[in-house]
Amino acid sequence: DAGITQSPRHKVTETGTPVTLRCHQTENHRYMYWYRQDPGHGLRLIHYSYGVKDTDKGEVSDGYSVSRSKTEDFLLTLESATSSQTSVYFCAITVGDLNTEAFFGQGTRLTVV
Amino acid sequence: DAKTTQPNSMESNEEEPVHLPCNHSTISGTDYIHWYRQLPSQGPEYVIHGLTSNVNNRMASLAIAEDRKSSTLILHRATLRDAAVYYCILRESNTGNQFYFGTGTSLTVIP
Repeated sequence: DAGITQSPRHKVTETGTPVTLRCHQTENHRYMYWYRQDPGHGLRLIHYSYGVKDTDKGEVSDGYSVSRSKTEDFLLTLESATSSQTSVYFCAITVGDLNTEAFFGQGTRLTVV
Repeated sequence: DAKTTQPNSMESNEEEPVHLPCNHSTISGTDYIHWYRQLPSQGPEYVIHGLTSNVNNRMASLAIAEDRKSSTLILHRATLRDAAVYYCILRESNTGNQFYFGTGTSLTVIP
């Protein structure tokens, strides 16, 4: 699992509340990613990071922000959760000379009611 | 990013070979072909990747067409544990490093 830990693993929250998901890695990999997975859509990239304080948007970044103040932690924040953000969220890192291999966390199931 | 096209689902009998096709007619010269699979209730896991030549590893083989517009993931002897969604992904070799997943092929292995 390349030392990736996601927390929490499950969360139920109310519409309009802020939510932060944490991805922690233990091996100092440069690249980290947040994806969401919904039925019929596969995995879609939300944001990614290529170093401390270096982040960029993915294909579905609206309503999400990220922060990476330390190499080992990549935080995903929903500033004001909506029901459309109910999903399974996966964190990933890439490894290797060309970052060719990705390792994913176990996922966080978020339900917004 | 160049897109890939895969069948929505496939079935295979246990202990028989499985050939999972992927079309990527708009592939560019710098795109690597990656395959990942996702077992139920887990995150995706790396299977194999290649650029131009066929590749083999302990999990599978990757056959790449000469024009690189299609590829095939080969599982030599399907087991029940191979039942998963298989994703074919194109990815540039340089930085950016995003993976763009499609909906993949859901493989059912019949005992």
